[in-house]
Amino acid sequence: QVQLVESGGGVVQPGRSLRISCAASGFRFSRNAMHWVRQAPGKGLEWVAVIWNDGSKKYYVDSVKGRFTVSRDNSKNTLYLEMNSLRAEDTAVYFCARDFRGVISWFDAWGQGTLVTVSS
Amino acid sequence: DIQMTQSPSSLSASVGDRVTITCRASENISLLLNWYQHRPGKAPNLLIYAASNLQSGVPSRFSGSASGTDFTLTISSVQPEDFATYYCQQSASTPITFGQGTRLEIK
Repeated sequence: QVQLVESGGGVVQPGRSLRISCAASGFRFSRNAMHWVRQAPGKGLEWVAVIWNDGSKKYYVDSVKGRFTVSRDNSKNTLYLEMNSLRAEDTAVYFCARDFRGVISWFDAWGQGTLVTVSS
Repeated sequence: DIQMTQSPSSLSASVGDRVTITCRASENISLLLNWYQHRPGKAPNLLIYAASNLQSGVPSRFSGSASGTDFTLTISSVQPEDFATYYCQQSASTPITFGQGTRLEIK
């Protein structure tokens, strides 16, 4: 069955960097676009970034542009989010989600999330 | 950016009640509207895609409809496992945006 498992979260100081990962299994990873979505404490869901199935296109929410980079390794079935210049407001549970298509459509599978806490 | 206005923000219901949640897009998104259920500590779950299509494995008591820029999620008879937060999401353009969520609570 489809499985997405995030890892790499933790506590990091403001201004520092962190890379989180999402290991995919149970489907042909290279066929689907992949997304990162976050949920800050007590808040709703916020879309963060998407990467096309072949990695050819990437889009971000304005608040992370220039600081976060989404990437993927289709040979390792793994999605990444490199987060630089972290701020307190980036504190959230980060979910990876599979898009039904190779481009943007709907998110038909999600991971359980990994918590990133930005604090001194 | 496309704004998604979801209402109500919270809702109390009893088991067996019919519940309706609405979502309004700030501009035309065609039928590119999806609904998700999210229980605390769990992965969100796709319920409805493209406004009115029931995702495989989702109970038939869930349904979606559209009228212009207004979208509706209906639960025909609320069950105990349905108490959760529900989000609409537009996928017409980036940035992809979610509604602020509707928390469905037990009355």
